[in-house]
Amino acid sequence: AQSVTQLDSHVSVSEGTPVLLRCNYSSSYSPSLFWYVQHPNKGLQLLLKYTSAATLVKGINGFEAEFKKSETSFHLTKPSAHMSDAAEYFCVVRAYGGSQGNLIFGKGTKLSVKP
Amino acid sequence: ETGVTQTPRHLVMGMTNKKSLKCEQHLGHNAMYWYKQSAKKPLELMFVYSLEERVENNSVPSRFSPECPNSSHLFLHLHTLQPEDSALYLCASSQDRAQGAVGYTFGSGTRLTVV
Repeated sequence: AQSVTQLDSHVSVSEGTPVLLRCNYSSSYSPSLFWYVQHPNKGLQLLLKYTSAATLVKGINGFEAEFKKSETSFHLTKPSAHMSDAAEYFCVVRAYGGSQGNLIFGKGTKLSVKP
Repeated sequence: ETGVTQTPRHLVMGMTNKKSLKCEQHLGHNAMYWYKQSAKKPLELMFVYSLEERVENNSVPSRFSPECPNSSHLFLHLHTLQPEDSALYLCASSQDRAQGAVGYTFGSGTRLTVV
């Protein structure tokens, strides 16, 4: 079975400092991994996705994530946080087998950005 | 807007009411999904439709009844709900179910409050 674990439920950073949101995955197959962002009272927006091409994936709004098979990790980073980055972030893995194609979501990490 | 439109944005209903949530996409996608997002819980997949046929029902109570009259529209009919059903209901679509690797497009959700 596939699953993701987001290691922090809440991360707080100051504006202009780096962002690190941690995610570990479990998958019997070569995984497809995603990061989604949800701003307050909004739906989810795809930030980036890994589908077995380059291990360093660049997404929108300056975010990127690195797939590390040896560590089963897919952490999300950004060099410099903006106030507008304050939102909830979800690490997601694609299911295989009987639930082929379904997306399995982590519990989310709420990012706060202080002025 | 993402291309997936949900109405209404907010809904307050009594436990004896009957209401429907609507989702519409004109992206040419063939798969559509209903997710439930409750506080402090991961997103829960409720229903999956592929080419207008329900292909998955994740043990959802019968007081939730989905309908997919065509590939562009998805409904969630609600009746005799419980207060614990209060949540954000998210609709999503993808090119087809097997293409979950390219990610889903989400609507902004319907915030449902059952009183």
